[in-house]
Amino acid sequence: GAVVSQHPSRVICKSGTSVKIECRSLDFQATTMFWYRQFPKQSLMLMATSNEGSKATYEQGVEKDKFLINHASLTLSTLTVTSAHPEDSSFYICSARVRSEVETQYFGPGTRLLVL
Amino acid sequence: AQKITQTQPGMFVQEKEAVTLDCTYDTSDPSYGLFWYKQPSSGEMIFLIYQGSYDQQNATEGRYSLNFQKARKSANLVISASQLGDSAMYFCAMRGNTGFQKLVFGTGTRLLVSP
Repeated sequence: GAVVSQHPSRVICKSGTSVKIECRSLDFQATTMFWYRQFPKQSLMLMATSNEGSKATYEQGVEKDKFLINHASLTLSTLTVTSAHPEDSSFYICSARVRSEVETQYFGPGTRLLVL
Repeated sequence: AQKITQTQPGMFVQEKEAVTLDCTYDTSDPSYGLFWYKQPSSGEMIFLIYQGSYDQQNATEGRYSLNFQKARKSANLVISASQLGDSAMYFCAMRGNTGFQKLVFGTGTRLLVSP
């Protein structure tokens, strides 16, 4: 099956620093990638949708300037948490979809971010 | 707007028994898809089963089956012959047919399988 990787799997950073999370589709080209956020014992909340070569579409309430998303190629999307604060500590998960496979989203293993 | 409701925060089942996890949904889209995902403690989202709104038959994948009742807007997951490794969070999700056809997730049900 299709594989999506995320890097890093776990990151601890100081408040005020920026953190970049990479999401890669390893064996397929992902025309659309999704970024989710999951707080402990809660559900996944969609943050934004990114299509290769165009600006990301953010969900209501998600700060565009704080969560920068870049989908530079068909196999790579990055989420940068700028000026991270402790309340940004969460589990971030990406998923990728091929245009021809609307029914299938392939999820990455997630990245645990802890901001001190 | 689409909405997924999972009313069972936690469920217990004994090994080898069957268990049903409830999911109801609300949407105005005539065409939609329903998914179930399993999330173990490691955090990865594991796809289990998919049901399209126009599918005539209930979806089945091994020990997983989806009890799709369109008129009631329910899409319950049935796990037969539960195994200890089935202990995890289970999320029901819906894909609409507009925009980026994004997934909307329910709040999840934690399943605990006991020996």
